[in-house]
Amino acid sequence: DAGVIQSPRHEVTEMGQEVTLRCKPISGHDYLFWYRQTMMRGLELLIYFNNNVPIDDSGMPEDRFSAKMPNASFSTLKIQPSEPRDSAVYFCASLAGTTTDTQYFGPGTRLTVL
Amino acid sequence: GENVEQHPSTLSVQEGDSAVIKCTYSDSASNYFPWYKQELGKRPQLIIDIRSNVGEKKDQRIAVTLNKTAKHFSLHITETQPEDSAVYFCAASYNTDKLIFGTGTRLQVFP
Repeated sequence: DAGVIQSPRHEVTEMGQEVTLRCKPISGHDYLFWYRQTMMRGLELLIYFNNNVPIDDSGMPEDRFSAKMPNASFSTLKIQPSEPRDSAVYFCASLAGTTTDTQYFGPGTRLTVL
Repeated sequence: GENVEQHPSTLSVQEGDSAVIKCTYSDSASNYFPWYKQELGKRPQLIIDIRSNVGEKKDQRIAVTLNKTAKHFSLHITETQPEDSAVYFCAASYNTDKLIFGTGTRLQVFP
Protein backbone atom coordinates (compact mmCIF):
# COMPACT_ATOMS: atom_id res chain seq x y z
CA ASP A 1 0.00 0.00 0.00
CA ALA A 2 1.48 3.34 -1.06
CA GLY A 3 -0.15 5.30 1.74
CA VAL A 4 -1.67 8.74 1.30
CA ILE A 5 -0.11 10.58 -1.62
CA GLN A 6 0.10 14.36 -1.86
CA SER A 7 1.38 16.63 -4.59
CA PRO A 8 3.20 18.84 -4.96
CA ARG A 9 5.51 18.37 -1.97
CA HIS A 10 6.64 21.99 -2.15
CA GLU A 11 4.93 24.96 -3.73
CA VAL A 12 6.21 28.51 -3.93
CA THR A 13 3.91 31.08 -5.44
CA GLU A 14 3.28 34.79 -5.46
CA MET A 15 0.48 36.53 -3.67
CA GLY A 16 -2.68 36.58 -5.73
CA GLN A 17 -1.98 33.38 -7.61
CA GLU A 18 -4.21 30.32 -7.51
CA VAL A 19 -2.82 27.29 -5.70
CA THR A 20 -4.12 23.73 -6.04
CA LEU A 21 -3.03 20.98 -3.69
CA ARG A 22 -3.78 17.36 -4.50
CA CYS A 23 -4.38 14.23 -2.46
CA LYS A 24 -4.89 10.56 -3.18
CA PRO A 25 -6.18 8.67 -0.13
CA ILE A 26 -5.39 5.09 0.75
CA SER A 27 -7.47 2.79 -1.42
CA GLY A 28 -10.66 1.71 0.30
CA HIS A 29 -10.66 4.50 2.86
CA ASP A 30 -14.02 6.24 3.13
CA TYR A 31 -12.86 9.42 4.86
CA LEU A 32 -10.50 12.15 3.70
CA PHE A 33 -9.27 15.09 5.77
CA TRP A 34 -7.42 18.31 4.98
CA TYR A 35 -5.31 19.88 7.74
CA ARG A 36 -3.16 22.97 7.93
CA GLN A 37 -0.13 23.20 10.23
CA THR A 38 1.56 26.43 11.30
CA MET A 39 3.72 27.34 14.25
CA MET A 40 1.15 29.84 15.47
CA ARG A 41 -2.02 27.79 15.13
CA GLY A 42 -0.77 24.22 15.30
CA LEU A 43 -2.58 21.45 13.45
CA GLU A 44 -6.04 22.57 12.31
CA LEU A 45 -8.72 20.55 10.57
CA LEU A 46 -9.96 22.47 7.53
CA ILE A 47 -12.54 20.09 6.02
CA TYR A 48 -13.33 16.41 5.80
CA PHE A 49 -15.25 14.16 3.44
CA ASN A 50 -17.08 10.88 3.88
CA ASN A 51 -17.73 8.89 0.71
CA ASN A 52 -16.77 11.97 -1.36
CA VAL A 53 -19.32 14.20 0.41
CA PRO A 54 -18.12 17.16 2.50
CA ILE A 55 -19.20 16.57 6.10
CA ASP A 56 -17.69 19.46 8.02
CA ASP A 57 -16.04 22.52 6.47
CA SER A 58 -16.22 24.71 9.56
CA GLY A 59 -12.43 24.93 9.66
CA MET A 60 -12.08 26.44 6.21
CA PRO A 61 -10.69 29.89 6.98
CA GLU A 62 -12.51 31.92 4.35
CA ASP A 63 -14.07 31.89 0.93
CA ARG A 64 -10.67 31.89 -0.75
CA PHE A 65 -10.37 28.24 0.26
CA SER A 66 -12.33 25.47 -1.45
CA ALA A 67 -12.07 21.69 -1.51
CA LYS A 68 -13.50 19.03 -3.75
CA MET A 69 -13.54 15.27 -3.89
CA PRO A 70 -14.80 14.25 -7.33
CA ASN A 71 -14.19 10.55 -6.70
CA ALA A 72 -12.98 8.15 -4.03
CA SER A 73 -9.34 8.37 -5.07
CA PHE A 74 -8.76 12.10 -5.51
CA SER A 75 -9.26 15.38 -3.68
CA THR A 76 -8.11 18.95 -4.21
CA LEU A 77 -7.70 21.94 -1.93
CA LYS A 78 -7.67 25.22 -3.80
CA ILE A 79 -6.69 28.68 -2.59
CA GLN A 80 -7.68 31.57 -4.82
CA PRO A 81 -6.28 34.17 -4.47
CA SER A 82 -3.40 33.13 -2.25
CA GLU A 83 -1.98 35.39 0.47
CA PRO A 84 1.29 35.27 2.44
CA ARG A 85 -0.60 34.23 5.57
CA ASP A 86 -1.64 31.04 3.79
CA SER A 87 1.96 29.85 4.01
CA ALA A 88 1.88 26.57 5.94
CA VAL A 89 2.20 22.82 5.60
CA TYR A 90 -1.02 21.28 4.35
CA PHE A 91 -1.62 17.64 5.23
CA CYS A 92 -4.14 15.26 3.79
CA ALA A 93 -5.19 12.21 5.83
CA SER A 94 -7.47 9.27 5.21
CA LEU A 95 -9.45 6.90 7.40
CA ALA A 96 -11.07 3.59 6.62
CA GLY A 97 -13.92 3.78 9.12
CA THR A 98 -14.68 5.43 12.43
CA THR A 99 -15.15 2.49 14.75
CA THR A 100 -11.83 0.70 14.70
CA ASP A 101 -9.39 2.50 12.42
CA THR A 102 -7.30 5.64 12.74
CA GLN A 103 -6.22 8.48 10.48
CA TYR A 104 -3.12 8.12 8.31
CA PHE A 105 -1.38 11.27 7.17
CA GLY A 106 0.21 12.05 3.85
CA PRO A 107 3.69 13.61 3.60
CA GLY A 108 2.28 17.13 3.35
CA THR A 109 2.66 20.05 0.96
CA ARG A 110 4.79 22.95 2.12
CA LEU A 111 3.23 26.10 0.67
CA THR A 112 5.08 29.40 0.59
CA VAL A 113 3.25 32.47 -0.66
CA LEU A 114 5.56 35.40 -1.34
CA GLY B 1 -17.07 22.03 20.53
CA GLU B 2 -14.13 19.98 21.73
CA ASN B 3 -11.06 21.72 23.12
CA VAL B 4 -7.81 19.91 23.94
CA GLU B 5 -5.10 21.35 26.14
CA GLN B 6 -1.63 19.83 26.21
CA HIS B 7 1.24 20.30 28.68
CA PRO B 8 4.11 20.88 28.79
CA SER B 9 4.96 22.65 25.55
CA THR B 10 8.60 21.58 25.84
CA LEU B 11 10.21 18.76 27.77
CA SER B 12 13.87 17.89 28.12
CA VAL B 13 15.01 14.62 29.65
CA GLN B 14 18.19 12.64 29.98
CA GLU B 15 18.45 9.45 27.99
CA GLY B 16 17.04 6.58 30.01
CA ASP B 17 14.67 8.76 32.03
CA SER B 18 10.90 8.75 31.67
CA ALA B 19 8.79 11.41 29.98
CA VAL B 20 5.16 12.22 30.68
CA ILE B 21 2.90 14.44 28.56
CA LYS B 22 -0.59 15.34 29.73
CA CYS B 23 -3.74 16.39 27.89
CA THR B 24 -7.19 17.46 29.01
CA TYR B 25 -10.33 17.53 26.89
CA SER B 26 -13.63 19.31 27.30
CA ASP B 27 -16.26 17.19 25.52
CA SER B 28 -17.38 14.25 27.65
CA ALA B 29 -18.72 12.56 24.49
CA SER B 30 -15.17 12.10 23.14
CA ASN B 31 -14.26 8.43 23.09
CA TYR B 32 -11.09 8.19 21.01
CA PHE B 33 -7.67 9.54 22.05
CA PRO B 34 -4.69 9.05 19.74
CA TRP B 35 -1.12 10.23 20.16
CA TYR B 36 0.96 11.25 17.15
CA LYS B 37 4.71 11.72 16.86
CA GLN B 38 6.05 14.22 14.35
CA GLU B 39 9.72 14.38 13.53
CA LEU B 40 11.13 17.52 11.97
CA GLY B 41 9.88 17.93 8.42
CA LYS B 42 7.86 14.73 8.53
CA ARG B 43 4.19 13.80 8.77
CA PRO B 44 2.43 13.08 12.07
CA GLN B 45 2.47 9.34 12.72
CA LEU B 46 0.28 7.46 15.15
CA ILE B 47 2.24 5.89 17.97
CA ILE B 48 -0.56 4.73 20.26
CA ASP B 49 -4.26 5.30 20.79
CA ILE B 50 -6.85 4.51 23.44
CA ARG B 51 -10.59 4.29 23.41
CA SER B 52 -12.85 5.20 26.28
CA ASN B 53 -13.69 1.63 27.20
CA VAL B 54 -10.19 1.06 28.64
CA GLY B 55 -8.13 2.95 31.18
CA GLU B 56 -4.62 2.07 30.08
CA LYS B 57 -2.80 0.71 27.06
CA LYS B 58 0.85 -0.24 26.64
CA ASP B 59 3.11 -0.86 23.67
CA GLN B 60 6.68 -1.62 24.66
CA ARG B 61 8.13 1.61 26.11
CA ILE B 62 5.00 3.65 25.47
CA ALA B 63 1.83 3.72 27.53
CA VAL B 64 -1.27 5.86 27.61
CA THR B 65 -3.64 6.30 30.53
CA LEU B 66 -7.15 7.71 30.42
CA ASN B 67 -9.22 9.19 33.24
CA LYS B 68 -12.71 9.74 31.87
CA THR B 69 -14.03 11.27 35.06
CA ALA B 70 -11.38 13.96 35.10
CA LYS B 71 -11.29 14.15 31.29
CA HIS B 72 -7.58 13.81 30.97
CA PHE B 73 -5.17 11.39 29.37
CA SER B 74 -1.41 11.04 29.45
CA LEU B 75 1.44 9.62 27.39
CA HIS B 76 4.25 7.87 29.24
CA ILE B 77 7.54 7.04 27.56
CA THR B 78 9.99 4.98 29.61
CA GLU B 79 13.70 4.46 29.04
CA THR B 80 13.82 7.37 26.62
CA GLN B 81 16.25 7.30 23.72
CA PRO B 82 17.59 10.11 21.51
CA GLU B 83 15.38 8.89 18.65
CA ASP B 84 12.33 9.67 20.80
CA SER B 85 13.11 13.37 20.27
CA ALA B 86 10.20 14.83 18.32
CA VAL B 87 6.98 16.79 18.72
CA TYR B 88 4.15 14.78 20.24
CA PHE B 89 0.49 15.65 19.69
CA CYS B 90 -2.50 14.36 21.58
CA ALA B 91 -5.97 14.47 20.06
CA ALA B 92 -9.56 13.71 21.00
CA SER B 93 -12.70 12.94 19.04
CA TYR B 94 -16.04 11.22 19.06
CA ASN B 95 -15.23 8.09 17.09
CA THR B 96 -12.17 8.74 14.91
CA ASP B 97 -13.30 11.31 12.42
CA LYS B 98 -13.10 14.90 13.65
CA LEU B 99 -9.83 14.90 15.60
CA ILE B 100 -9.10 17.98 17.69
CA PHE B 101 -5.38 18.24 18.34
CA GLY B 102 -3.49 19.62 21.29
CA THR B 103 -0.81 22.23 20.71
CA GLY B 104 2.07 19.75 20.83
CA THR B 105 4.99 18.97 23.13
CA ARG B 106 8.54 19.22 21.91
CA LEU B 107 10.48 16.40 23.57
CA GLN B 108 14.26 16.51 23.61
CA VAL B 109 16.20 13.51 24.86
CA PHE B 110 19.82 14.27 25.64
CA PRO B 111 22.42 11.48 25.43
